[in-house]
Amino acid sequence: QVQLVQSGAEVKKPGASVKVSCKASGYTFTAYYLHWVRQAPGQGLEWMGRIIPNTGGTNHAQKFQGRISMTRDTSSGTAYMELRSLTSDDTAIYYCARVGREYYGSGSYDYWGQGTLVTVSS
Amino acid sequence: DIQMTQSPSSLSASVGDRVTITCQASQDISDRLNWYQQKPGKAPQLLIYDASNLETGVPSRFSGSGSGTQFSFIISSLQPEDIATFYCQQYFNFPPTFGGGTKVDFK
Repeated sequence: QVQLVQSGAEVKKPGASVKVSCKASGYTFTAYYLHWVRQAPGQGLEWMGRIIPNTGGTNHAQKFQGRISMTRDTSSGTAYMELRSLTSDDTAIYYCARVGREYYGSGSYDYWGQGTLVTVSS
Repeated sequence: DIQMTQSPSSLSASVGDRVTITCQASQDISDRLNWYQQKPGKAPQLLIYDASNLETGVPSRFSGSGSGTQFSFIISSLQPEDIATFYCQQYFNFPPTFGGGTKVDFK
């Protein structure tokens, strides 16, 4: 069965970086886009970026310009999202999500990781 | 970016009630709209894709309709396990964007 398993919770100090992993299984990793979505405490869903596992190509939301990197390791079927220069506003649950029905690189998210809580605190 | 406006932001209903949530897009998005359910402490789950298509395994009491800028999501008979926050999401234009969510609880 399809699974996206994310790395564990992190606590970081302001100014630090965090790298979250998302290991895919149960399907061909390179055949589906992966997106990253975050959710601040008590807030809604915010799209961060996407990676094309086949090529490694990425796109991200303008607000994360210069702070976000998304990579993948096709040999292990794992995607990574790194966010730098963290502030308290980055405290959130970070999700990876698979695009099941793709439309110009986006679409509907049919499988989600369990989420990774990142807490930024001094 | 396309803005997605959901209403209401919260609602209270009873078991068996019909529940309707609306989502308005800031521009025409055709039928490129999805609906998700998120239960507390869990990741969102896809319920409806392309405005009106029921995802496999999702109960038929959930339905969606609309096109262009106006969309509706309906629970025909609210069940105890339906208590959650529901989100719409457009993918007509990049970047994909979400509505602010509708929290559904019991009266």
